[in-house]
Parts: sequence; C-alpha cells; structure tokens
Amino acid sequence: GNSVTQMEGPVTLSEEAFLTINCTYTATGYPSLFWYVQYPGEGLQLLLKATKADDKGSNKGFEATYRKETTSFHLEKGSVQVSDSAVYFCALRKEDKIIFGKGTRLHILP
Amino acid sequence: DTAVSQTPKYLVTQMGNDKSIKCEQNLGHDTMYWYKQDSKKFLKIMFSYNNKELIINETVPNRFSPKSPDKAHLNLHINSLELGDSAVYFCASSQGPRGGDNIQYFGAGTRLSVL
Repeated sequence: GNSVTQMEGPVTLSEEAFLTINCTYTATGYPSLFWYVQYPGEGLQLLLKATKADDKGSNKGFEATYRKETTSFHLEKGSVQVSDSAVYFCALRKEDKIIFGKGTRLHILP
Repeated sequence: DTAVSQTPKYLVTQMGNDKSIKCEQNLGHDTMYWYKQDSKKFLKIMFSYNNKELIINETVPNRFSPKSPDKAHLNLHINSLELGDSAVYFCASSQGPRGGDNIQYFGAGTRLSVL
C-alpha cells in the first residue's frame, strides 16, 4: 500500500545551519508529494509541493525535489532560523487519500 | 476571515460524556476531513466527506459519527468518551478528492481532554 517514511526527530540545529529532513515514499504510479509544517499551537499548513518527477517545490527558503528513481522528497534549507522551529510532515496524495508521515520535530537554537 | 474554523478550541470533559466539535470552511471546497493527532504528533485520518457524502471512513470506533449538513460544514460527534480519545482533532478541506490543487487547508485544531 501507499506509505510515507520520514526521519525521526527531534532534530536540533543551531541557527544558520543547513537542514535536511529525509522523506521516502511507497506508492504505485505518480503521487503528488507535499511538505506541511505545523507551528506550535496551530494546524498544519502547506509548505511546498511537487506533482511530477523532477519537479522542485520551494517556499520560504525550503526546497524539495521529487525523485522518482529513489522515491524520495527530502526537505532542505540552506540556513535555518529560530522561527523555523516546528513539526514538519511529508505527505503523498493518491486518488482520494492524503497520507502523512509521522512528522519530524525541528528545534532551532539561537 | 478564517478559511477553516473549528470550535471549540479546547474541550475538557468527563469519561462517558457525549460531545461535538464543529467545523466550517468558507473556501468553497467540496471535500472535508477529520484527523486525529496524538501526543506524539502522529496524524491519522478518520473521515472524509465529498459534497456531503462519506468517501473515507478509516477504522474508527462507531462512537465517532461525522455529520455533514452541507458541503461547508463537517461536524464530529463523539459518544461515550474514553480516556484514549484525548487528542487534538483537526478539520481540513480541499477542492476535491481528485481534482483541484490537491492542497488541504487545516483548521487550528480542537484539543480534547477526557478526564
């Protein structure tokens, strides 16, 4: 069946460090892929998305590239800020369902 | 205006009680969802409605009953609350199950605490 696996957290980094949060998926065909972010006390909100192989989604300095060959959609940011502290969810959409990974908590230290 | 709004934001109640959580979206979307998020932040879909019809019904106790009076509203009623029901419940909406931009828009969540 369809599934999403992302690295377990928490991930703790210093401000201005480089960030990678790994995400791999299992699905038939070509699902749409997403990263959602959940700031403390809030609901999830879309961070970026990609709908076909080799697409790169980007927003707020974050990027992720849809890699069909490795079934991956890793999230990266070159220089993180304290305000990036949140829980990040990788997700895929196939037909009627969106399937979320278990979330990765990110702590950024000043 | 809040796109997806759910009430109440906090709900504290005793075991065995019946409670409801309401959700409304003003985005004109056809599809609405209920998710449960546990203390470890794991997000699990419970139900999805498209144009007032149930299209996803995951393995959820039948104490949970969604009600969609129109496509802008999806309420969640919970009977005989149990300690394990304590969680944050999120409502979400999207343009359609197969069409549109595939993006889900989430409410701010309802934190349910069962004592």
